[in-house]
Amino acid sequence: AQSVAQPEDQVNVAEGNPLTVKCTYSVSGNPYLFWYVQYPNRGLQFLLKYITGDNLVKGSYGFEAEFNKSQTSFHLKKPSALVSDSALYFCAVRGTRLMNRDDKIIFGKGTRLHILP
Amino acid sequence: DTEVTQTPKHLVMGMTNKKSLKCEQHMGHRAMYWYKQKAKKPPELMFVYSYEKLSINESVPSRFSPECPNSSLLNLHLHALQPEDSALYLCASSHLWVRGPANTGELFFGEGSRLTVL
Repeated sequence: AQSVAQPEDQVNVAEGNPLTVKCTYSVSGNPYLFWYVQYPNRGLQFLLKYITGDNLVKGSYGFEAEFNKSQTSFHLKKPSALVSDSALYFCAVRGTRLMNRDDKIIFGKGTRLHILP
Repeated sequence: DTEVTQTPKHLVMGMTNKKSLKCEQHMGHRAMYWYKQKAKKPPELMFVYSYEKLSINESVPSRFSPECPNSSLLNLHLHALQPEDSALYLCASSHLWVRGPANTGELFFGEGSRLTVL
């Protein structure tokens, strides 16, 4: 069965500092990995994805994520945090078995990112 | 700005009311989803439609009734709800999940309909 873990409920970072939001996954086959961001009272916005190729993927708003197969991780990163980055971040995973019921996108529990001015 | 539009943004209803949530997308996606999200929790999948046919029902109570009239529209009919059904209901769409990097099936979400059941 697929699963995704976000070990931190909240991450606090000072503005201008680099940030990392952690995600680990478990999936059959090669994973398709995603990050979404949710601002208060809004829907989820797609940030970036890893499918294949370079382990470092770049996404929206200056975010990037590093895929590490040996550690089954897909941590979200940004070199310099902004106050406006404060939001709820979800990691998600999808397995690659063709048209299998289990190939739903599974979300982690979310990590609240708080950027301190 | 999202390309998935949900109405209404807010809905308050009593336990005996009948109401509907609506979702529309014009991205040519053939998969559409309903999720339920409680505060500070991840979205929980309720239903998936593929080619306008219900393909996944995550054991959702029958007081929630989905409908997909065409490839652009998705409705969620609500009847005899309970206060614990109060939540943010999110609609999403995606290309159909087909193996291979050409289609990765990421979801595009609407802004949600916040439902309060009194």
